[in-house]
Amino acid sequence: DQQVKQNSPSLSVQEGRISILNCDYTNSMFDYFLWYKKYPAEGPTFLISISSIKDKNEDGRFTVFLNKSAKHLSLHIVPSQPGDSAVYFCAASRSGNTGKLIFGQGTTLQVKP
Amino acid sequence: DAGITQSPRHKVTETGTPVTLRCHQTENHRYMYWYRQDPGHGLRLIHYSYGVKDTDKGEVSDGYSVSRSKTEDFLLTLESATSSQTSVYFCAISQTSNYGYTFGSGTRLTVV
Repeated sequence: DQQVKQNSPSLSVQEGRISILNCDYTNSMFDYFLWYKKYPAEGPTFLISISSIKDKNEDGRFTVFLNKSAKHLSLHIVPSQPGDSAVYFCAASRSGNTGKLIFGQGTTLQVKP
Repeated sequence: DAGITQSPRHKVTETGTPVTLRCHQTENHRYMYWYRQDPGHGLRLIHYSYGVKDTDKGEVSDGYSVSRSKTEDFLLTLESATSSQTSVYFCAISQTSNYGYTFGSGTRLTVV
């Protein structure tokens, strides 16, 4: 069973507009959530994270929102740039669980100039 | 650059042969993980280690074994490779159990 789901395999947006990537989870024990970005032929790189005690975390153009009641998180990128074109993975973990991250399937973002 | 190296970067092997992938870190991180990436599945955990000689199974561990005899090295072995193990394999390291990972660049394995 997929505990972390990214239901949109791909997303295309125009440069300068907002990109919204969504992620749903089923395990209410998850208390730490992360987003990773992956370019072709490279390993994923950490982008932004949020603890379950918060509902929003911002870092420059990137903001992650967490809705615990809906078991849903989203990543907003404003404004989107062509260099943001990549695969984005959301991930979740449970405190004290040896740090294991459970990843979603990924969403491929294309930002068109 | 991040102190984590995977080898080899690419490998083609025949069905039924053993294969070992190596992950080497220079960060002295306690936790190490092996994931595989497949289309439609994202990243799935194979095995992980929380210390020297301390390892455990992930969600897709069948057909794989691991060893960690030193802090810096985490080996993933496919005892008898199958075509279903064709994938991109990523190693990751973490400083604590509540911290994000640093990933290696990956190993593309093709089993023919």
